[in-house]
Order: sequence, then structure tokens, then C-alpha cells
Amino acid sequence: DIQMTQSPSSLSASVGDRVTITCRAGQSISTYLNWYKQKPGKAPKVLIYAASSLQSGVPSRFSGSASGTDFTLTISSLQPEDFATYYCQQSYNAPRTFGQGTKVEIK
Amino acid sequence: EVQLVESGGGLVQPGGSLRLSCAASGFTFSSYWMHWVRQAPGKGLVWVSRINSDGSGTNYADSVKGRFTISRDNAKNTLYLQMNSLRAEDTAVYYCAREFSSGSRYFDYWGQGTLVTVSS
Repeated sequence: DIQMTQSPSSLSASVGDRVTITCRAGQSISTYLNWYKQKPGKAPKVLIYAASSLQSGVPSRFSGSASGTDFTLTISSLQPEDFATYYCQQSYNAPRTFGQGTKVEIK
Repeated sequence: EVQLVESGGGLVQPGGSLRLSCAASGFTFSSYWMHWVRQAPGKGLVWVSRINSDGSGTNYADSVKGRFTISRDNAKNTLYLQMNSLRAEDTAVYYCAREFSSGSRYFDYWGQGTLVTVSS
């Protein structure tokens, strides 16, 4: 199984801050890396697929990048609705493993 | 409009069984791989199982292999998860998810989830 290691596990930030979340894959996964956002009591929703492609309807302040087995989700200017938990997921092979999540909280 | 609606969750005793269903609408169900993902209370997302579009191929997480069975009925547009020999650690919200696959692969639609509680 491919292990996905996400960091940090949580962070505190203010509205307007630039936020970066990192995910490292345990082996090469090409760009089969997706980012999801989840709010409490709700199903996850995809933000970024294929490492850097923005899902339709997702604000442009979200972006993704890749460098080898390291992947980054960036929120350029944090908005109130962005306080949530974010997960990376590899879709290179089965099982489709997730990172452990990053909770973004209000400072 | 794409919709995935899970049902079948509830309280079950350890060692018991439960069958979850996921009713799909708004898309050609038989064209998509489908997955189950679970989330224990206060914990992260964990992939459970997947089935290919015609039901001929399945995969399972090691933690459920031999106890859970994923299946689908394309005529009824429904995905299933048969869960046997349930354990306390299977307690979670179970989500079904559709996998978009065209070059890239990702879960583009999710159900609202159904809660399974394993307790005596």
C-alpha cells in the first residue's frame, strides 16, 4: 500500500493568510494526487485533482503543485469558509489511500 | 443532477452483519467505478473497497478483507457493501463515492454517509 504522509496535522491561521499543506507519497505516484476539503458532518468534496487541476466551481485561491513525491496545496488568501479539514489522496493504484488530514482552524 | 444516497446503517452487535446500499441517480451508473470510504468518529478518511464498472473486479482494505463484500446491481443503479463479523473498530460513517476516470482519477461525487455503530 502507498503511504501518504500529510503535514501539518493542524494549523491556526487568520483570514487573509496564505496557507500551505504538504503531502508526501511513499513511492512515485506520478501526478495521481487529489485534495479534498471536508467540513464537520459533511461529505468531502474534491478541490484539486491530478496534483494541480482545479475542480470546476472551486475558487482560484486554491492551487496544487507537485515535485517528485511531494505535493502541496496552497490557499492564497484564507477565507472564513475555508476553515475545514483537508485530505490528500493518491489514485495511482488500489488501495486509494488518504493522508491523515490537516485541520485548518481560526487563529 | 448526480445523487448518491446511502442507507442501511444502524446499531449492530459485535459479530453481527449489516448491508449498506448506495442508490445512484443522475448519471450512467454502469459506466463508473464505485468506492466505499469510511470515517470513524473524530478520525480521518479511510478507503474501504472499490468495484469496477461491470462488477468483475474488486479490491478491499486489509482491515476488512474476508469480512466485507462489495457488489453492484447496474440494473437497479445500486451499490452495496455486505459487512459480516463486525467489530467495534468498524464503527464509522460509511460514504459511497463515484470515481471519475479520464486520464486522472478522483472521487467527484460522494453520498451523505450512513452511520454504522458496532456495540453491545
